[in-house]
Amino acid sequence: KAGVTQTPRYLIKTRGQQVTLSCSPISGHRSVSWYQQTPGQGLQFLFEYFSETQRNKGNFPGRFSGRQFSNSRSEMNVSTLELGDSALYLCASSFYRDGYTFGSGTRLTVV
Amino acid sequence: KQEVTQIPAALSVPEGENLVLNCSFTDSAIYNLQWFRQDPGKGLTSLLLIQSSQREQTSGRLNASLDKSSGRSTLYIAASQPGDSATYLCAVSYNQGGKLIFGQGTELSVKP
Repeated sequence: KAGVTQTPRYLIKTRGQQVTLSCSPISGHRSVSWYQQTPGQGLQFLFEYFSETQRNKGNFPGRFSGRQFSNSRSEMNVSTLELGDSALYLCASSFYRDGYTFGSGTRLTVV
Repeated sequence: KQEVTQIPAALSVPEGENLVLNCSFTDSAIYNLQWFRQDPGKGLTSLLLIQSSQREQTSGRLNASLDKSSGRSTLYIAASQPGDSATYLCAVSYNQGGKLIFGQGTELSVKP
């Protein structure tokens, strides 16, 4: 079966711009969560959506937002990009107690 | 504060060695614990999932144990191979609601 699909794989944006990342979970998975990975901070939780509702949120500024659609696909948006937002953004989906399956990530570079 | 620590941060071993990676967590009331592997620049690959009621899980050459009372988990890799070279991450969750807390990882290098 298809895994978690993240698009695009790579992005280069300029400071001040905004960006939208997409995640398609494994079919049947209703929970989608997002993580930011940087060399200095490691993997940090951004937010989690379940059945189109945000169920958990990490400690990130309001510039980071997300949403989930009725087909469980999720998008993450970052507005007013800063250099420090350069990171690998990972999406994961899960089904009840089966653990988490991650996508390949979107590498965002802010210049 | 709920934290996860992995020791060592890096490990280099010759091919064929058995090795143990360690993970400790400050709050023992975990929901489950998951071990992942990450190759450079890539996403995370799930290796083993241990539910809070379980003591260990095995998959091929990998065995993960969980001791909730002491806040520890170990990942045992038997007969290591160069293809095992990667960063290994331990993550815990405290409820069904999506938040994984990760350790900083152990970077493993297996030399031919």
